[in-house]
Amino acid sequence: DVQLVESGGGLVQPGGSLKLSCAASGFTFSSYTMQWVRQAPGKGLEFVSAISGNGDDTYYANSVRGRFTISRDNSKNTLYLQMGSLRAEDMAIYYCARELRDWGQGTLVTVSS
Amino acid sequence: QSVLTQPPSASGTPGQRVTISCSGSSSNIGKNSVNWYQQLPGTAPKLLIYSNYQRPSGVPDRFSGSKSGTSVSLAISGLQSEDEADYYCAAWDDSLDGPVFGGGTKLTVL
Repeated sequence: DVQLVESGGGLVQPGGSLKLSCAASGFTFSSYTMQWVRQAPGKGLEFVSAISGNGDDTYYANSVRGRFTISRDNSKNTLYLQMGSLRAEDMAIYYCARELRDWGQGTLVTVSS
Repeated sequence: QSVLTQPPSASGTPGQRVTISCSGSSSNIGKNSVNWYQQLPGTAPKLLIYSNYQRPSGVPDRFSGSKSGTSVSLAISGLQSEDEADYYCAAWDDSLDGPVFGGGTKLTVL
């Protein structure tokens, strides 16, 4: 069975940084494009970033481009999201997803002073 | 403001058939396939429909998808109390070079 387990969320001050991880299992990780999607409290889903299977191609939403960096380590079956210059509007549950078909349970990022 | 437009709410009684619409444009729904997701309270989204009308294994055939031009619809027949959830449509957008989502529809089973 496909399993995606996010970690690394927490409380961070505005302007701070945080690195999220997503541990994948149950499939050939390097064969799939992976995404990060977020959901602010009481709001809808918003695409954040995506990365191709070999890591050569990355995509970002305009709202995070230049502040967030997606990466992956195929030897560790792990997806990452390095978040910087965090703002109040970045506060959300962050989900990792395999080609937007399988989703993890999410990790909460709170941005507050 | 979401790129794809969904009604914020829908409702029905047990056993009824309800439909949820999702409208977009030529750069997303008009050219690309659509997924639907069900999000039960406090849980992660779950893929309900992919490629406009395909159901993943395990999804009851009470759920069906359709597409016409730049709009899609999700139909739920034989409504059950456990169908009460938020439903989201999503499609790749060629102009934005990324996936876009609808704002979500909260389905209430009366």
